[in-house]
Amino acid sequence: GAVVSQHPSRVICKSGTSVKIECRSLDFQATTMFWYRQFPKQSLMLMATSNEGSKATYEQGVEKDKFLINHASLTLSTLTVTSAHPEDSSFYICSARVLRQGEQYFGPGTRLTVT
Amino acid sequence: AQSVAQPEDQVNVAEGNPLTVKCTYSVSGNPYLFWYVQYPNRGLQFLLKYITGDNLVKGSYGFEAEFNKSQTSFHLKKPSALVSDSALYFCAVRDGRDDKLIFGTGTRLQVFP
Repeated sequence: GAVVSQHPSRVICKSGTSVKIECRSLDFQATTMFWYRQFPKQSLMLMATSNEGSKATYEQGVEKDKFLINHASLTLSTLTVTSAHPEDSSFYICSARVLRQGEQYFGPGTRLTVT
Repeated sequence: AQSVAQPEDQVNVAEGNPLTVKCTYSVSGNPYLFWYVQYPNRGLQFLLKYITGDNLVKGSYGFEAEFNKSQTSFHLKKPSALVSDSALYFCAVRDGRDDKLIFGTGTRLQVFP
């Protein structure tokens, strides 16, 4: 089946620094990738949708200058949390899809802790 | 607006008994419905989906779900629960005209030996 990987799986950073999370589709080309955020014991909240080669579309309330998303190739999307603060600590999950009506495949998630 | 409701935060069931995890939805247009399972500190794993066709959908690990248009429900079921089924289950909906996947709040399934 289709596999999506994320790196790193866990990261701890100091407040004020930036951290980059990578999402890769390993055995398929993803025209669209999604980034979700999950707080403890809560559902997944869609942060943004990115199509390869174009700017990401952010959900209402998500700061695009803080959460930089790049989808430079059909197999790689990155989420950079800039000037991280403790409230950015969360579980970030990416998802990839080939076709608009196709299935979404999820990565294993990245646990970010900002100290 | 699209929405998904999972009315139960937690479902407890004894191993070997049937289980049901409830989901209702609200969309404009034709619904595309999904069930995913999440184990601790892991991403989501696809279980099954309903796009069109038979109302009873069979999926992975012995799970199935029944699409009921009149009740706008898509409950997840399994005839005989296993302890290893204990996890967090998410129902999701995608409007046929929109490419966003909207998740419910999740239901924690606890299967006791």
